[in-house]
Amino acid sequence: GAGVSQSPSNKVTEKGKDVELRCDPISGHTALYWYRQSLGQGLEFLIYFQGNSAPDKSGLPSDRFSAERTGGSVSTLTIQRTQQEDSAVYLCASSLGGTGRGTQAFFGQGTRLTVV
Amino acid sequence: GDSVTQMEGPVTLSEEAFLTINCTYTATGYPSLFWYVQYPGEGLQLLLKATKADDKGSNKGFEATYRKETTSFHLEKGSVQVSDSAVYFCALLYGNNRLAFGKGNQVVVIP
Repeated sequence: GAGVSQSPSNKVTEKGKDVELRCDPISGHTALYWYRQSLGQGLEFLIYFQGNSAPDKSGLPSDRFSAERTGGSVSTLTIQRTQQEDSAVYLCASSLGGTGRGTQAFFGQGTRLTVV
Repeated sequence: GDSVTQMEGPVTLSEEAFLTINCTYTATGYPSLFWYVQYPGEGLQLLLKATKADDKGSNKGFEATYRKETTSFHLEKGSVQVSDSAVYFCALLYGNNRLAFGKGNQVVVIP
């Protein structure tokens, strides 16, 4: 498709289980971002991939969170041993070469994760 | 660290009313500033942007001016429509190409 695609759109999981969230960026976009949107909060930066450079993982809230980007395209965000506080909407965005001045980030519709 | 603060709470107003959503920022240097909008059931999309002081971003009748002296980037629209009902996020670009977002404001326009 033409936009950023995320799957699944909704995920309900039991506390303690692992989950994988997928993001398909726009073709040709070298930069990919993951954000988390909790109820009543703004968007919290998680991780940033830019081309073949080492990812910026500084926003990951704990070592239960990890992300990969294979072949410079699809990305998977993995949350291990999920906790109830992990419940949120996880948003993926991509852009051409990062969000430098004037560059636009395109967002997917997100994955709503509910940990019960 | 670099951050964005938006006014608290939802905004409810009548069609054709004037809309203002306040946004102030804290940043080292001169960040780029953005307004994103999230319509019901849709993903975030860029509404407008400004990359340097005194720049005015505009789109779909919305405007925001980058004010360095007041570290603000308030969003305004002179006459809102029901179709403008959405959540609006102010954001700034900082550090290693990261966007920092405000908490967002739900705008509800009543016919």
